[in-house]
Amino acid sequence: DAGVIQSPRHEVTEMGQEVTLRCKPISGHNSLFWYRQTMMRGLELLIYFNNNVPIDDSGMPEDRFSAKMPNASFSTLKIQPSEPRDSAVYFCASTPLWPAYNEQFFGPGTRLTVL
Amino acid sequence: AQSVTQLDSHVSVSEGTPVLLRCNYSSSYSPSLFWYVQHPNKGLQLLLKYTSAATLVKGINGFEAEFKKSETSFHLTKPSAHMSDAAEYFCVVSLYGQNFVFGPGTRLSVLP
Repeated sequence: DAGVIQSPRHEVTEMGQEVTLRCKPISGHNSLFWYRQTMMRGLELLIYFNNNVPIDDSGMPEDRFSAKMPNASFSTLKIQPSEPRDSAVYFCASTPLWPAYNEQFFGPGTRLTVL
Repeated sequence: AQSVTQLDSHVSVSEGTPVLLRCNYSSSYSPSLFWYVQHPNKGLQLLLKYTSAATLVKGINGFEAEFKKSETSFHLTKPSAHMSDAAEYFCVVSLYGQNFVFGPGTRLSVLP
């Protein structure tokens, strides 16, 4: 299996631009998580989906952030408009819902820099 | 609600000496527990997991952890540190495969 795939690996954009991060979970995994990691705040859960349905989006910073999962093999995290404080590494992780003791499998991350 | 405490934000050891990274958790029910490692500018890799089977769990690269319910602890150990072990380590608690709660991380430095 190819593991969790994220694209792009690096993104540099200017303040005010729209940014779209993409994630392909491991086939058969039906939970998907988006995290953000910064030096100041550590690893933060933004949102997670079960069976393509958003379950908890309380970690989404503000309305500029949105996430979708149109099917079991694809999810996007969009920031519009982007701001310099959004600069971070964004990780996607997936896990099967059953058995219930499975670990999360992480993608390599997308390093976002907003100038 | 669940929570994880990693008692040390930074641990420094000499190469060849034992490693101890401490983790305490809080959970209302029997949780699953994990240790992840993150090398600089890399993603998170699973080291080991506890899922209510054996309380002493062996992982990759010579790491192991012992689940102690009475102490609500899941400390990570390794008998002999290697330079390549220098990284950030995260303790994670999960309930029923959901609600993964990460500790703040412990940065391990290995001195030559």
